[in-house]
Amino acid sequence: DAGITQSPRHKVTETGTPVTLRCHQTENHRYMYWYRQDPGHGLRLIHYSYGVKDTDKGEVSDGYSVSRSKTEDFLLTLESATSSQTSVYFCAISPGPLNTEAFFGQGTRLTVV
Amino acid sequence: AQTVTQSQPEMSVQEAETVTLSCTYDTSENNYYLFWYKQPPSRQMILVIRQEAYKQQNATENRFSVNFQKAAKSFSLKISDSQLGDTAMYFCAFKGGSEKLVFGKGTKLTVNP
Repeated sequence: DAGITQSPRHKVTETGTPVTLRCHQTENHRYMYWYRQDPGHGLRLIHYSYGVKDTDKGEVSDGYSVSRSKTEDFLLTLESATSSQTSVYFCAISPGPLNTEAFFGQGTRLTVV
Repeated sequence: AQTVTQSQPEMSVQEAETVTLSCTYDTSENNYYLFWYKQPPSRQMILVIRQEAYKQQNATENRFSVNFQKAAKSFSLKISDSQLGDTAMYFCAFKGGSEKLVFGKGTKLTVNP
């Protein structure tokens, strides 16, 4: 299995508080992704990174920011959590180029109350 | 922006029979990859099969095969001899030159004994 770890695995937080989810990899892969999974919506891309300090927005980036200061870590921050951000969050990594598969973390279940 | 559409939210099939899951996509790129991922109840994302846009030959992996129609932008997954362990969510995904990996909303497949 690809070395990818998400933390925490579960979190309950209050509306309005900042939350940071961490994705850590030991594979030295170039590309890292953050998705959210909601019933009826599949996996929607929030942000992705194509190198250290190189990131780009996905389709549902509003309310989220990311940072990648090291190859191995990709952080997702909810600046002020809202109930609509209650979801399961997945991190994925890929070495690139095109034909390489993405490897996924186990997911983080976030509940905003 | 690339989009991926899976028009069948749920499907069911009898054990040992064949089922086909549909996927269409929209892109202006010529070189890209398409993937099918499986997500069982464990929530783990597992690559089932991949197809390069430049290859005319349809990809196969044991009981799994695809019907790739580039002009129609269609990428369906056929599962032969369905097994109980095939019960899962199936996601179609597109990756183009930006390395952005975009998923469809998924099809929930149930294999009945």
